[in-house]
Amino acid sequence: NAGVTQTPKFQVLKTGQSMTLQCAQDMNHNSMYWYRQDPGMGLRLIYYSASEGTTDKGEVPNGYNVSRLNKREFSLRLESAAPSQTSVYFCASSWGTTDTQYFGPGTRLTVL
Amino acid sequence: GQQLNQSPQSMFIQEGEDVSMNCTSSSIFNTWLWYKQDPGEGPVLLIALYKAGELTSNGRLTAQFGITRKDSFLNISASIPSDVGIYFCAGQRYSGGGADGLTFGKGTHLIIQP
Repeated sequence: NAGVTQTPKFQVLKTGQSMTLQCAQDMNHNSMYWYRQDPGMGLRLIYYSASEGTTDKGEVPNGYNVSRLNKREFSLRLESAAPSQTSVYFCASSWGTTDTQYFGPGTRLTVL
Repeated sequence: GQQLNQSPQSMFIQEGEDVSMNCTSSSIFNTWLWYKQDPGEGPVLLIALYKAGELTSNGRLTAQFGITRKDSFLNISASIPSDVGIYFCAGQRYSGGGADGLTFGKGTHLIIQP
């Protein structure tokens, strides 16, 4: 049981480039989430998927898109990266939206 | 967007001392949670609280869900070196039978001097 896995672990982009962050969970959870963490801040919700086939915006969705590919996988896409998107990105999953969320190890993204 | 008010921001303590940190909010939460984050890792759940007034322990950790549902505290007794890390409170609101994501505090950095 790997839990929640994220790829890549580190990424450096130039302004304007695009990329997709991948997240997968093997706990048969229904709900998945993307958060970002900036220095000195707590995590902030970008998007979430309550169940397969649904996605909803969180607190800071601008500049991002998501895809719930299947029950296991939830990807986060940056279409045109900006320096303000330099952050650590965490994926999480839970059985249902009111259940405990389990976090992946994070992707550290730098946009130059 | 709202974040929870977590204090203190950092703590420098001696090994063996007790630690106390808290979180407050201007609005009500249905669930309060406490996570710990080690460097380079994701947050790991320590304690979850589901009922106003609830007091829950997990080993040397004790947390309480405030009666007003707008605050929570975490105590760590007899701190040890592996307690070093960042502690986050998080709250969640329910609506329509479900909930969206968690709202996090800014974290308390715990540093232990041997």
